[in-house]
Amino acid sequence: DADVTQTPRNRITKTGKRIMLECSQTKGHDRMYWYRQDPGLGLRLIYYSFDVKDINKGEISDGYSVSRQAQAKFSLSLESAIPNQTALYFCATRDRTLEQFFGPGTRLTVL
Amino acid sequence: GENVEQHPSTLSVQEGDSAVIKCTYSDSASNYFPWYKQELGKRPQLIIDIRSNVGEKKDQRIAVTLNKTAKHFSLHITETQPEDSAVYFCAASKTGTASKLTFGTGTRLQVTL
Repeated sequence: DADVTQTPRNRITKTGKRIMLECSQTKGHDRMYWYRQDPGLGLRLIYYSFDVKDINKGEISDGYSVSRQAQAKFSLSLESAIPNQTALYFCATRDRTLEQFFGPGTRLTVL
Repeated sequence: GENVEQHPSTLSVQEGDSAVIKCTYSDSASNYFPWYKQELGKRPQLIIDIRSNVGEKKDQRIAVTLNKTAKHFSLHITETQPEDSAVYFCAASKTGTASKLTFGTGTRLQVTL
C-alpha cells in the first residue's frame, strides 16, 4: 500500500546538536507538510511544500529548516536542538481531495 | 491567519451515550472542515469532513454540522463504543491550491463501560 514513512521513529539528542528527521512517501502527492504535536497544543505547522521548488514557512518555523530533495522526500532539520523542541513530529502529504495522510511520527527528546 | 478553537479539551461519556465536540474558526474565507481521529500511539486519520456548501454530513454513527454564519462546526458521535476513545482534532482551511490546515487543540474522548 502507498504510505508515508518517517525515520527515525524515536530520537534522543543533546542540546546544541544538529538533527535531521526524514519523511518519504509513495503516494505520489505533491504537497508535503511537517507538523509538531505537543500536549494541549494540537498539531502546529512548521513548514510545507507544494512541489520540489516550493517551500513555505508555517506558524512555528523558527529554529527549523527543511529540504525537499524529490517529490517523495521532505526532510526537517533542527540546526541546534534545544529542550523546548522536544515533541512528537509528524510528516503529512495531501491529495487532491484535501485529505492529509500522516506518517507514523517521530518522538524527539532534546536533553 | 486562521485560528481554530476546540472545546472541550477532555470528554468522558458512558458507552452508548452521544458525544459532541465543538469548534469555532476565525477566517470567514475558510470552506473546508475536516475531523481527524488519533488513537493512542497512532497517527491522525481523517474520519469525516464537510465543505461550506452543505450544513450537515453523516457517516454511520458520526456526523458533522456547520454553521457558516456563526463560524462554528461540530462533531457528533452517537451510540459511542470503547473504540471511539481517542483524541479528535478539528481543522479548517480554504480549498485553493495554496491551502493549509489549521488544527484545533484536540479533544480527548474517553468512552467508559
